[in-house]
Amino acid sequence: GDSVTQMEGPVTLSEEAFLTINCTYTATGYPSLFWYVQYPGEGLQLLLKATKADDKGSNKGFEATYRKETTSFHLEKGSVQVSDSAVYFCALRGTGNQFYFGTGTSLTVIP
Amino acid sequence: DAEITQSPRHKITETGRQVTLACHQTWNHNNMFWYRQDLGHGLRLIHYSYGVQDTNKGEVSDGYSVSRSNTEDLPLTLESAASSQTSVYFCASSLDPDQETQYFGPGTRLLVL
Repeated sequence: GDSVTQMEGPVTLSEEAFLTINCTYTATGYPSLFWYVQYPGEGLQLLLKATKADDKGSNKGFEATYRKETTSFHLEKGSVQVSDSAVYFCALRGTGNQFYFGTGTSLTVIP
Repeated sequence: DAEITQSPRHKITETGRQVTLACHQTWNHNNMFWYRQDLGHGLRLIHYSYGVQDTNKGEVSDGYSVSRSNTEDLPLTLESAASSQTSVYFCASSLDPDQETQYFGPGTRLLVL
């Protein structure tokens, strides 16, 4: 069945460091891929998405490229800020238009 | 502004009791979803609805039920609460399947003693 696997956390980085959070997926067909972010005490918010192979989603300095050949959608940011501290979820919209979420990766950015 | 709300935000109950969690959205979205969030599992789909009178089971539907009598609301009922249902519950909505983006409520933290 459809599923998403993302790197285990927690991740702790210093401000202005480079961020990569790995995400790989298993799905039949060509799912749409998403990154959602959850700030403390809040619900999930869409960060970025890509709907077909080689598409790059981007928002707030974050980027992720839909790689069909490696079934991956890794999240990157060149210079993280303290305000980026949150939990990040990779997700896909797959069979039956249902969403499948990864387990989440907690990011803490220290000044 | 349109929004999605959940109530209560926090709930403590005892095993065996019936509990209903409310979800209300003002976007006029057709699709509504209930997820539970647990450490090590991320979000798992409980039930979903694609319109009034439509309900469907998700990955972890046992012990839960939903009903959709109007566009705005999708209440989630735990028929007989169990300690294994202690979790954080999120409601979400989307306009239609092709819209793709889901909008999440702030969550309800449920503790079953």
